[in-house]
Amino acid sequence: QLQVQESGPGLVKPSETLSLTCTVSGDSISSSNYYWGWIRQPPGKGLEWIGSVYYSGSTYYNPSLKSRVTISIDTSKNQFSVNLSSVTAADTAVYYCARRYGSCYSCFDYWGQGILVTVSS
Amino acid sequence: QSALTQPASVSGSPGQSVTISCTGTSSDIGTYNFVSWFQQHPGKAPKLMIYEVTKRPSGVSNRFSGSKSGNTASLTISGLQAEDEADYYCCSYAGIRMEVFGGGTKLTVL
Repeated sequence: QLQVQESGPGLVKPSETLSLTCTVSGDSISSSNYYWGWIRQPPGKGLEWIGSVYYSGSTYYNPSLKSRVTISIDTSKNQFSVNLSSVTAADTAVYYCARRYGSCYSCFDYWGQGILVTVSS
Repeated sequence: QSALTQPASVSGSPGQSVTISCTGTSSDIGTYNFVSWFQQHPGKAPKLMIYEVTKRPSGVSNRFSGSKSGNTASLTISGLQAEDEADYYCCSYAGIRMEVFGGGTKLTVL
């Protein structure tokens, strides 16, 4: 059974960089069948797709965040990560990592439990 | 790319059917058959209920069905049960390798 698990600091100061890692277990992140994505949800609000990465390192991002976000993948550790720079209070959210069928856009079938990241001094 | 438009809330009584709409544009829902629906209970991660407009993942009840007409996708839940009370989100491919979510709909089972 595939599992994905987010990890990282729960508190980040304004203007700093938010960094989270997603650890995948139960399957290889190097499979050509899947993409791996990050989605966030501000408290009491809806979901927002941040971006996705392929095992080859190919990435694509939400245009509204593209200037501040970097997603990378480490196949040796079966992990992928997100960095979001110059954070503000508006970046406070639960951050989820998820798997997506390679040939099916928007098909996020396995999700982590989510990690709350608060931006505050 | 703007978020897809969903009603803020819908409600229904046990046993009834409810439909949740998701309106996009000709750049997303109107062009691509990559519409998914997610169910989210409070404090939990979203769960994939429908993908590619009409397909159900293994283990999802056949009470859940999806459809699309023009720029609008719909999720129908038949035989409403108390456990269906949750937030529901649509998601669509929007071209140029971008995905966009709807604002979410709160389903209340009366």
